[in-house]
Amino acid sequence: DSGVTQTPKHLITATGQRVTLRCSPRSGDLSVYWYQQSLDQGLQFLIHYYNGEERAKGNILERFSAQQFPDLHSELNLSSLELGDSALYFCASSLDRGKAYEQYFGPGTRLTVT
Amino acid sequence: GENVEQHPSTLSVQEGDSAVIKCTYSDSASNYFPWYKQELGKGPQLIIDIRSNVGEKKDQRIAVTLNKTAKHFSLHITETQPEDSAVYFCAAPGGGADGLTFGKGTHLIIQP
Repeated sequence: DSGVTQTPKHLITATGQRVTLRCSPRSGDLSVYWYQQSLDQGLQFLIHYYNGEERAKGNILERFSAQQFPDLHSELNLSSLELGDSALYFCASSLDRGKAYEQYFGPGTRLTVT
Repeated sequence: GENVEQHPSTLSVQEGDSAVIKCTYSDSASNYFPWYKQELGKGPQLIIDIRSNVGEKKDQRIAVTLNKTAKHFSLHITETQPEDSAVYFCAAPGGGADGLTFGKGTHLIIQP
């Protein structure tokens, strides 16, 4: 158990809908990273938040957004969902502000868009 | 940006033998190289990492080696056990990125 929690575990929704994925980092970690894992694209970095502020964006679509709250939990919002958005979504947390050091991953949310 | 290549995609070894997985990276500014193990239905688990000021690091049966000149790093697992069966990913951050760029993964199969 990494100490990172994610909810929900599974999510099934229809095209065009909007969903919110939630992540709580390990106790003491200030950084939260979001990743998408799919069979064709592999594990891809989406976005990084540190202590409530956006730090860096990766391959994140404009239909996707995220935020980190004062209690350090983070939410990833996915809107206008398409079939191709079906994937595993992971968050990871670390103590460091940047440099991607020692990221610990949560169990993931499996999103299925029908 | 960073590009990470990982080989082989599948590796089958006899229980008790050693396994080696290799990765290359493109961004010479990368200075941190983690390895993750992912079991079915679970998130990636950080198993070992190495920073660029070190050439080798060991943790029990697992070791990682780094060659910065050649821009490649490898994971070595000795005395493999059935519980080592999983998908292993290497990663690198790139010089200016906060997120990790991952290899495509190696499916390690331990044959009894």
